[in-house]
Amino acid sequence: DVKVTQSSRYLVKRTGEKVFLECVQDMDHENMFWYRQDPGLGLRLIYFSYDVKMKEKGDIPEGYSVSREKKERFSLILESASTNQTSMYLCASSAGNGGTYEQYFGPGTRLTVT
Amino acid sequence: KQEVTQIPAALSVPEGENLVLNCSFTDSAIYNLQWFRQDPGKGLTSLLLIQSSQREQTSGRLNASLDKSSGRSTLYIAASQPGDSATYLCAVRNTPLVFGKGTRLSVIA
Repeated sequence: DVKVTQSSRYLVKRTGEKVFLECVQDMDHENMFWYRQDPGLGLRLIYFSYDVKMKEKGDIPEGYSVSREKKERFSLILESASTNQTSMYLCASSAGNGGTYEQYFGPGTRLTVT
Repeated sequence: KQEVTQIPAALSVPEGENLVLNCSFTDSAIYNLQWFRQDPGKGLTSLLLIQSSQREQTSGRLNASLDKSSGRSTLYIAASQPGDSATYLCAVRNTPLVFGKGTRLSVIA
């Protein structure tokens, strides 16, 4: 069974703080993704990565950065948290070339910025 | 740009009914289509994946079909149960996934 874990289920941070969201997958997947989900807007892709040390911008990268130093771990960084970054953050992974590309999601992190 | 639409946005049915959820997409050049389930406050659980060369996939009481040429997919749920209550999302893969906004299903006992 594929397992994608996220470091926190709930997080409360103050405006201006630097925030790290961690995601780990245990299936040796090449691809990893960060989304945010907001009512009425659905899931929106922030960043994704097809390989270690590689990153690609998604639809809404502004205010975020990512790091992928190891294949199993993909970190989302909010350099200076703002209230409009209050959201549910979801990490996902999928196998790359030769795989089905079926995406598997973590349980999500509910981030509140006050 | 690929757009994915799910209709209806919400659906309420009595227990035991068979039901169909709809998903449409604007660009038929997709690699695959995936259906997910999401319970409130939780992550997404993959239900079915249909590759672009396939017409349908089945898992238990769930059957998903894909018609690439018309840009449509349906998720059929047989003999619905209260435990099926959740939001169902479809997503198509160009590169990467593009999601619909989901159908919120309530199955009433």
